[in-house]
Amino acid sequence: SQTIHQWPATLVQPVGSPLSLECTVEGTSNPNLYWYRQAAGRGLQLLFYSVGIGQISSEVPQNLSASRPQDRQFILSSKKLLLSDSGFYLCAWSGDKSSYEQYFGPGTRLTVT
Amino acid sequence: DQQVKQNSPSLSVQEGRISILNCDYTNSMFDYFLWYKKYPAEGPTFLISISSIKDKNEDGRFTVFLNKSAKHLSLHIVPSQPGDSAVYFCAALRGTYKYIFGTGTRLKVLA
Repeated sequence: SQTIHQWPATLVQPVGSPLSLECTVEGTSNPNLYWYRQAAGRGLQLLFYSVGIGQISSEVPQNLSASRPQDRQFILSSKKLLLSDSGFYLCAWSGDKSSYEQYFGPGTRLTVT
Repeated sequence: DQQVKQNSPSLSVQEGRISILNCDYTNSMFDYFLWYKKYPAEGPTFLISISSIKDKNEDGRFTVFLNKSAKHLSLHIVPSQPGDSAVYFCAALRGTYKYIFGTGTRLKVLA
């Protein structure tokens, strides 16, 4: 069966510090991968998606970036965090093109202080 | 520009009764609609979906209705159970990868 891992679960970082969140998927190959952010009281906002290694599409201009160095690994990064980067970050994957279902990881709670 | 809206931030329902969660959208180009359930500090879990070419899809206690002329989507849960208490998100898909989520409705099922 497929599983998706995200770490860390929680993170407190000062403004201006770098960020690296990692997501890995097991039990499937060539998944579509996604990064979302849920700000307080808001819905899920799609930040990035990737359809293959090295292929990244950005949905929202921001100081975040994403990379996909391996088929089942997706990384969210920032060189300098802003207060507005605080939120709940979720990684997701989808596979079967006929079903469009996405499967989400447990999320990372990021607090920028 | 909120293309997918869930105008009710919360809903309370008695156990055993029907829960109806609503979602409105503005873009008629959406191809697929999905409902997710989310518990605190966890990722959303997929519940049920519907293609834009259909008007109803049923899976056990969950039924999703799509009214394209009204650009309205609803999720019915019958009968509601205390374990259904969670935040429910509707999402719309345009193309293959661009999912747009609503802001969620918190459902509380009272025992």
